[in-house]
This record gives sequence, structure tokens and C-alpha cells, in this order.
Amino acid sequence: EIVLTQSPATLSLSPGERATLSCRASQNVLSNFLAWYQQKPGQAPRLLISGAFIRATGIPDRFSGSGSGTDFTLTISRLEPEDFAVYYCQQYAMAPVTFGGGTKVEIK
Amino acid sequence: EVHLVESGGGLVQPGGSLRLSCAASGFTFTNSWMAWVRQAPGKGLEWVANIKKDGSETYYVDSVKGRFTISRDNAKNSLYLQMNTLRAEDTAVYYCARGFGIVDWGQGTLVTVSS
Repeated sequence: EIVLTQSPATLSLSPGERATLSCRASQNVLSNFLAWYQQKPGQAPRLLISGAFIRATGIPDRFSGSGSGTDFTLTISRLEPEDFAVYYCQQYAMAPVTFGGGTKVEIK
Repeated sequence: EVHLVESGGGLVQPGGSLRLSCAASGFTFTNSWMAWVRQAPGKGLEWVANIKKDGSETYYVDSVKGRFTISRDNAKNSLYLQMNTLRAEDTAVYYCARGFGIVDWGQGTLVTVSS
């Protein structure tokens, strides 16, 4: 099983600042089958990025994904008020599919 | 527009059973791998199981192997999760989901295992 470790657990930032979220895998994520999701309270997750860097339909370009192998990053270039939420990474290269523990981006 | 609508959640005693259903519409169901993902209260996401387009392959997280069974009826555009020998730690919102990089999610159904 591929274990995904997200850091930091909590990120305290102000609107307009840049957010950098990390996702580290216990082994190579082949073909960069790595996705990022945003989740707000009481809602289902929303896909932001798949294939490590491909933005999903309708996702603003302030969200970007990068990385390969075992180290991946989600960057939010300038935080908007609606971006404060929990973010999860997910690998779907190997069964079982696994999620990271999440990073909460909160208002400073 | 894609719709995934779960049903069948509720309160069940430890050791009991429940069957979740997911009615799918707005896409070609037979062309899609499907999955169940759960989220315990205040916790993160956990992939539970997924099933190939024709139902010929299934995968499970270790904690539910031998207790849960994922299945589908392509004629009815429906996905199921039979949950047996339920434990307190199975308490969660269960989401029906399409694919691997999941664009489409249901609204979730709450399963509570408690005496």
C-alpha cells in the first residue's frame, strides 16, 4: 500500500498569500496518478488536479500541481476567501487507492 | 449533468448489516469504474472499494475485506455496497464516486454503528 503523508497539517495564511501544500508518497506513484481535492464542511470533495498537474474543468488557474515520483505539491498562488478549506492528495496508481491525511488551510 | 444519489444509510447495531445503493445518471454507467469512499466524523477520506466497468474486478481496503461487498447492476445504472459484521469504526458518511481521479461524487449517506 502506498502511504501518503501531507504537510503541514494546518497552514495559517491571509487572503492574497501563497499556499504551498506537500504530499509525500512512501513509494513511487507511477504515471503520476496523483490527484488533489478541496473539501469544505458539509460538502463532498471537489477535484482540483489529476495526473499530478492537470487542472480539472472549471478550476481557477491560481491552483497548480507539480511534482513526480514520491514528492508532489499543490500551490495556490493567491488565496481567495473561498479557498480556506481542507485539501487532500490521493494516489490511484496502485490498489488500494489511498488518500493523504489532509492539510487544513485556515485564515490567519 | 451527472447525478449520483446514495441511499440506505442509517443506524445499525454492531454486528449488523446494511446495504447501500447508488443511483447513477447523466453518463454512460457501463463505461465507468465506480467506487465507495467514506469519511468518519471529523476525519479524512478513506477509499473503501471499487469495481471495474463490467463488475469483473473488485478491490477493497484491508479493513473491510471479508465484510463488505461492492457490486453493480449495469442494467439499472446502480452501484451497491453490502456491509456485514459492522463495527463502530465503520461509522462514516459513505460517498458513491465515479472513476479514480474523482470528478463526480454523490452527496453521501451516513452510516452509524452504535448500540
